[in-house]
Amino acid sequence: DQQVKQNSPSLSVQEGRISILNCDYTNSMFDYFLWYKKYPAEGPTFLISISSIKDKNEDGRFTVFLNKSAKHLSLHIVPSQPGDSAVYFCAARGMSGAGNMLTFGGGTRLMVKP
Amino acid sequence: DGGITQSPKYLFRKEGQNVTLSCEQNLNHDAMYWYRQDPGQGLRLIYYSQIVNDFQKGDIAEGYSVSREKKESFPLTVTSAQKNPTAFYLCATNRGGYTDTQYFGPGTRLTVL
Repeated sequence: DQQVKQNSPSLSVQEGRISILNCDYTNSMFDYFLWYKKYPAEGPTFLISISSIKDKNEDGRFTVFLNKSAKHLSLHIVPSQPGDSAVYFCAARGMSGAGNMLTFGGGTRLMVKP
Repeated sequence: DGGITQSPKYLFRKEGQNVTLSCEQNLNHDAMYWYRQDPGQGLRLIYYSQIVNDFQKGDIAEGYSVSREKKESFPLTVTSAQKNPTAFYLCATNRGGYTDTQYFGPGTRLTVL
C-alpha cells in the first residue's frame, strides 16, 4: 500500500521549457514534504522542501506547490536544462511513525532534451 | 572534509554468505538510516537509529541487522536470510530534528551471485 505515489515513471521535456513532476499522497498525517534528485549509481541529493503550512516554496529554478485538500504536490523546474536529467523522488514525513522517517515515492525519470 | 562515506562502491557475494556494508559520517549527526533501492522503485527504509546504542526496524527489516556502537558508524549486515539481497543500498543521516533534511551517502551496489 503505497502512501506516496509518483504516477509518471518518466517525463521528457525540451530544454528551456517547464518540467512539472507530480506526487500524490494518501496519509493525512504527512505534514512535511521533500524533493530529491538522483543520478545513476549515486545517492539522492536534496532539492527543496515544503511544510504543510505553506502552499508554495521557491528556490531559484525550482518551485514546489502543495495542495493539501487534494493531497498533491508538484515540482516545477523552469527553465529546464539538460543537467536536470535525473530521477526525482518526492518524500513525505509525518507523525504517524518515527518522527524523522521519510516515505518515498517510486520516482520519475526526467529527460531534458537539448 | 565532511560527509557520508559508504564503502565499497560495488560488492559481490556468493549466495548464503552474510555481508556487512559500511556507513561512516563525520557530520556529527545523531540519526542514521539505511534504505534499499531496487530498479524502477523508490527507496524503502530498512533500519534507522536516532541515537547511539538504539535502532529501530523500518519497513523491510527482515533479513538485515544493524548496530550503532558509535555515533559516526552504522553498519548494515545483509544476512543469508534476506531472500533478494541484490540491490543498491543507501545510507542517510540527519541531525534528528523533525524538519532536518536527510543527506545521503553515495551508495553501495550489492550483487549476490
